[in-house]
Amino acid sequence: DVKVTQSSRYLVKRTGEKVFLECVQDMDHENMFWYRQDPGLGLRLIYFSYDVKMKEKGDIPEGYSVSREKKERFSLILESASTNQTSMYLCASSLMTGGRYEQYFGPGTRLTVT
Amino acid sequence: DQQVKQNSPSLSVQEGRISILNCDYTNSMFDYFLWYKKYPAEGPTFLISISSIKDKNEDGRFTVFLNKSAKHLSLHIVPSQPGDSAVYFCAASTTGTASKLTFGTGTRLQVTL
Repeated sequence: DVKVTQSSRYLVKRTGEKVFLECVQDMDHENMFWYRQDPGLGLRLIYFSYDVKMKEKGDIPEGYSVSREKKERFSLILESASTNQTSMYLCASSLMTGGRYEQYFGPGTRLTVT
Repeated sequence: DQQVKQNSPSLSVQEGRISILNCDYTNSMFDYFLWYKKYPAEGPTFLISISSIKDKNEDGRFTVFLNKSAKHLSLHIVPSQPGDSAVYFCAASTTGTASKLTFGTGTRLQVTL
């Protein structure tokens, strides 16, 4: 079974703090993704990476950055947290080839910025 | 611009009956579609998918139908069970986009006894 783990299930941070969210997958997947989920808005893609040190902006990259130094690990960074970044953050991974597009998700991190 | 739309935020169905969840899309380049199920405090889990070369795909109690001309897909769950109560997201992808998915806003299904 594919396993995607996220460093924290719940996180509370103050406005202006730098926040790191870590994601690790154990299936040697090339692609990794960061989403946020908000009520009524579904899952929105923040950033994704299709290889080590490669990254591409998703639909809502403003206020976020990412790092992928190793294939299994993809980090989301909030440079200066703001209250409108309070959300559920979901990490996912998938294979690059084979015509299969299923993404496998971690359990999520509920981030509250006060 | 919402390219994948789920117009029903919620649906309530009795146990044993059929649940039908709908999804519309606007981007004609989408050629692969997926359904995910999400329980509270958990990540979404993959349920079933369909390629644009097919119009139906079945897996046990779950069937996905695709109508390309209408840009519409639906997920049928028969028979519905209380454990099916969750939020369901449809998602779409285009070949060659590194499996990047565009998700709908979700439909909360409640299966009542």
